[in-house]
Amino acid sequence: DAGVIQSPRHEVTEMGQEVTLRCKPISGHNSLFWYRQTMMRGLELLIYFNNNVPIDDSGMPEDRFSAKMPNASFSTLKIQPSEPRDSAVYFCASSLYTSGSGKTQYFGPGTRLLVL
Amino acid sequence: DQQVKQNSPSLSVQEGRISILNCDYTNSMFDYFLWYKKYPAEGPTFLISISSIKDKNEDGRFTVFLNKSAKHLSLHIVPSQPGDSAVYFCAASINTNAGKSTFGDGTTLTVKP
Repeated sequence: DAGVIQSPRHEVTEMGQEVTLRCKPISGHNSLFWYRQTMMRGLELLIYFNNNVPIDDSGMPEDRFSAKMPNASFSTLKIQPSEPRDSAVYFCASSLYTSGSGKTQYFGPGTRLLVL
Repeated sequence: DQQVKQNSPSLSVQEGRISILNCDYTNSMFDYFLWYKKYPAEGPTFLISISSIKDKNEDGRFTVFLNKSAKHLSLHIVPSQPGDSAVYFCAASINTNAGKSTFGDGTTLTVKP
């Protein structure tokens, strides 16, 4: 298996522009997570889906952030409009969750976002 | 309120010696704990885990100990190797939370040759 795939790997954009990050989870996994990593705040969970349904989006910083999972093999995280403070590494992770097991998450390589 | 804490931002040990990384948690509902390792420019990778019904789990050079009464877990690496140099994240989860884990801030381990 190719693992979790994220694109782009690097993104440089100007303040005010829309940014879309993409994630393809491991085939067969039913949970998907979006994280943001910064020096100041560490690894933060932004939102997670179970069976394509958003379960908890309490970590999404504000309305400028939105995430979708239209099917089991694809998810997007969108920032509109982007701001310099959004600069971070964004990770997508997936897992095969079943009650009582399957809590190991498999992370993608991350997207390094720089907003100028 | 940070529910999972790794109080040591960094740790340096000599090759061949033991590395001990510590993690404390506050939520008594957590019943599954994991350690992840992260190299620069890569995503975290799963290392080892432990269920709350156990107090020790071993996998090769890596052993995780869980002290539920103290809400404390530790990761032991014996012997430490230079390739173990990475950031180590502690994570905790609740069985019914669809796999959601709460992560600590990480500890940077440096193993010197």
